[in-house]
Amino acid sequence: DAGVTQSPTHLIKTRGQHVTLRCSPISGHKSVSWYQQVLGQGPQFIFQYYEKEERGRGNFPDRFSARQFPNYSSELNVNALLLGDSALYLCASSLQGQSIGAEAFFGQGTRLTVV
Amino acid sequence: EDQVTQSPEALRLQEGESSSLNCSYTVSGLRGLFWYRQDPGKGPEFLFTLYSAGEEKEKERLKATLTKKESFLHITAPKPEDSATYLCAVQDFSGTYKYIFGTGTRLKVLA
Repeated sequence: DAGVTQSPTHLIKTRGQHVTLRCSPISGHKSVSWYQQVLGQGPQFIFQYYEKEERGRGNFPDRFSARQFPNYSSELNVNALLLGDSALYLCASSLQGQSIGAEAFFGQGTRLTVV
Repeated sequence: EDQVTQSPEALRLQEGESSSLNCSYTVSGLRGLFWYRQDPGKGPEFLFTLYSAGEEKEKERLKATLTKKESFLHITAPKPEDSATYLCAVQDFSGTYKYIFGTGTRLKVLA
């Protein structure tokens, strides 16, 4: 069974540029969440989508946006990149919305470096 | 505001030396508490979900327990391959389904 897949695995961008990260959830999972993990810290919640609707947004600026497609895959977009956006971006899929406290399964992440 | 604190930040054990990791939490209403293992540069790997005080889950050398204020991850007779960062997260009933993570415990098991 395929787990959560993210692309690309690594990315180097220049300050001010835009980036798009992609995620395919586990088959049958309709919920996708995005997290940012800075080195030495726990993941921080950015967005959650369920059935193509935004269900939650973390404390991130409007430069961060996301969407979920009819096949439940998702994109995270970040505009006007700053050096501080350098981090591991994690996508998680779950059955959220259908069962209480359903566990989230994470992809391997996209390592974004802004120079 | 929901909060998760993990201790210790780092732990070094000899192979076979059992120990416990702590996760203290403050949450308006606990929907679930989750334990993950994370290897360097990889995404977190799901270990356990706990829902209510008194609940326990076991998997190989790991056992997770839950009280109303904290959770413990007990590691019995650890092996070097158990070396990783262990993350704890909580989810509340706010409807956003977000996880609040602690900063993790970095475990190193020496052969």
